[in-house]
Amino acid sequence: AQSVTQPDIHITVSEGASLELRCNYSYGATPYLFWYVQSPGQGLQLLLKYFSGDTLVQGIKGFEAEFKRSQSSFNLRKPSVHWSDAAEYFCAVGDDDYKLSFGAGTTVTVRA
Amino acid sequence: DGGITQSPKYLFRKEGQNVTLSCEQNLNHDAMYWYRQDPGQGLRLIYYSQIVNDFQKGDIAEGYSVSREKKESFPLTVTSAQKNPTAFYLCASRTGAEQYFGPGTRLTVT
Repeated sequence: AQSVTQPDIHITVSEGASLELRCNYSYGATPYLFWYVQSPGQGLQLLLKYFSGDTLVQGIKGFEAEFKRSQSSFNLRKPSVHWSDAAEYFCAVGDDDYKLSFGAGTTVTVRA
Repeated sequence: DGGITQSPKYLFRKEGQNVTLSCEQNLNHDAMYWYRQDPGQGLRLIYYSQIVNDFQKGDIAEGYSVSREKKESFPLTVTSAQKNPTAFYLCASRTGAEQYFGPGTRLTVT
């Protein structure tokens, strides 16, 4: 069975600074990998996905993520955060049956 | 406008009562999913359905039931057998490998 670890429960970053959220996964085959964002009390919005090919993927809102098979990682980055990026971020891995397993999430606080 | 709707947004029930959460999609997706979200635990899969009239248990199906009589609808019933039903419930539908989520229903049982 697949699993996802997001080591950081909470990250605080200054507006305009860079952001990196860590994600490590466990899965026997080539995984489908996703990052979702959730604002308080809302559903999840898909930021980006990796299925195959180029290991650096671009997403919405200026986010990107890099798949590193050797490290079983799929870290999310943004060069310059905006106050509107304050939210909870979830990494997920999908299996061959397209079922998703989620990490526990990382809450991002943006300070002025 | 295509999307997934969940109603109501907030739901309150007394212990011992069954309650049904609605999930409707007009995206023409075959597959639909129910997740439960608790603070600090991410999302856990309750039930999923790949096609009409078929569904499978997820990781935490005990105390829940579903039906899939129509492609666009996948209601979830939280039964009195569910020991800790208070949570945020999210419905999703899938195209290819991508899942898209509804806005969620927050259920409080007292």
